[in-house]
Amino acid sequence: EAGVVQSPRYKIIEKKQPVAFWCNPISGHNTLYWYLQNLGQGPELLIRYENEEAVDDSQLPKDRFSAERLKGVDSTLKIQPAELGDSAVYLCASSLEGQSTDTQYFGPGTRLTVL
Amino acid sequence: AQSVTQLDSHVSVSEGTPVLLRCNYSSSYSPSLFWYVQHPNKGLQLLLKYTSAATLVKGINGFEAEFKKSETSFHLTKPSAHMSDAAEYFCVVSAGNQFYFGTGTSLTVIP
Repeated sequence: EAGVVQSPRYKIIEKKQPVAFWCNPISGHNTLYWYLQNLGQGPELLIRYENEEAVDDSQLPKDRFSAERLKGVDSTLKIQPAELGDSAVYLCASSLEGQSTDTQYFGPGTRLTVL
Repeated sequence: AQSVTQLDSHVSVSEGTPVLLRCNYSSSYSPSLFWYVQHPNKGLQLLLKYTSAATLVKGINGFEAEFKKSETSFHLTKPSAHMSDAAEYFCVVSAGNQFYFGTGTSLTVIP
């Protein structure tokens, strides 16, 4: 069974440019998460989806970040415009139902470098 | 509120010796607890999880962890370290449908 797929794996852009990341969760998983992981830190939640609905986006910087999961399957996270401080790894994860006991399965991440 | 503290940012052990990675948690709910491992340039992989069943949890690759409510701890152990265990380890507390990650412990295995 395929795991969580993310693309691209690496992205280098100049500041003020837009960038988008794509995630395809494990088939049948209703809950999808986007995390931000800075170097030497643990992942921090940006947004959580239950099917198509964003149920927790309190940590998403809405002035420049946006996300969508239109059909309740794959998802896109966008940054526009990117800033130097956005350089990090962006992780996508999925779980079956989003319960506290559910395991989250993580993709390999997208490493973003903003120059 | 939920939080997790990994007490050591770096741990070094010799190959074949025991591994102990320490984790304390704080939770307003009955928590679920997880340990994940992250190898360089790889995704996070689940080692084991505790969800209110047996307090001693066995995971993959010979790792295990014991949930101690009185000490609010969930330390990860392995009897004998292997070179392939060198990685970053994250303790996670889950409650109220949210995951809270620790800052990670980097494990070095010395040949």
